[in-house]
Amino acid sequence: AQKITQTQPGMFVQEKEAVTLDCTYDTSDPSYGLFWYKQPSSGEMIFLIYQGSYDQQNATEGRYSLNFQKARKSANLVISASQLGDSAMYFCAINAGNMLTFGGGTRLMVKP
Amino acid sequence: DSGVTQTPKHLITATGQRVTLRCSPRSGDLSVYWYQQSLDQGLQFLIQYYNGEERAKGNILERFSAQQFPDLHSELNLSSLELGDSALYFCASAVGPRGSPLHFGNGTRLTVT
Repeated sequence: AQKITQTQPGMFVQEKEAVTLDCTYDTSDPSYGLFWYKQPSSGEMIFLIYQGSYDQQNATEGRYSLNFQKARKSANLVISASQLGDSAMYFCAINAGNMLTFGGGTRLMVKP
Repeated sequence: DSGVTQTPKHLITATGQRVTLRCSPRSGDLSVYWYQQSLDQGLQFLIQYYNGEERAKGNILERFSAQQFPDLHSELNLSSLELGDSALYFCASAVGPRGSPLHFGNGTRLTVT
């Protein structure tokens, strides 16, 4: 079984600043993938970024980067230059085996 | 647009009734996943199909069932509905049976009155 923990239920960030959303995971599977999804108030789930457990480099997608520290079992999402449209719920998830397990989410609010 | 289509977008029904939620995966994706999102339970994995066969089962109630058809679309059937079944039901699709990113549909919001 796998588990994802997001310890920040809510966060504020000033527009144009960077923000880090924390995620720790636990799995006994040596091969796994880590994902981040964004859920705006409209409800859809938007895939942001993926990191494989064997990937040597941290994943980057535009303003999103994943700070993957395997020994610490952490996969934090870094959003650079925050925009008002980044206000949303953010979910970290792990795919080990056939199912994707989600954390409880972090609500990010970007202040103008 | 993720390419995953879910219908209907909204569904309001009474306790004890039965409903069917429909999902068409992205072109080329063989895996379909169903998730339930409620305020108190978060995102809960229900079931996964890959190329027509059930691959994994999560916290799916016996009153719920699903299938994936030869054209790869999937249906989630919810019966003997209870108030607690009110939730947002997501379908997601992926290329392979494991490891690849899931792309979510916009969800079906079910309200049981």
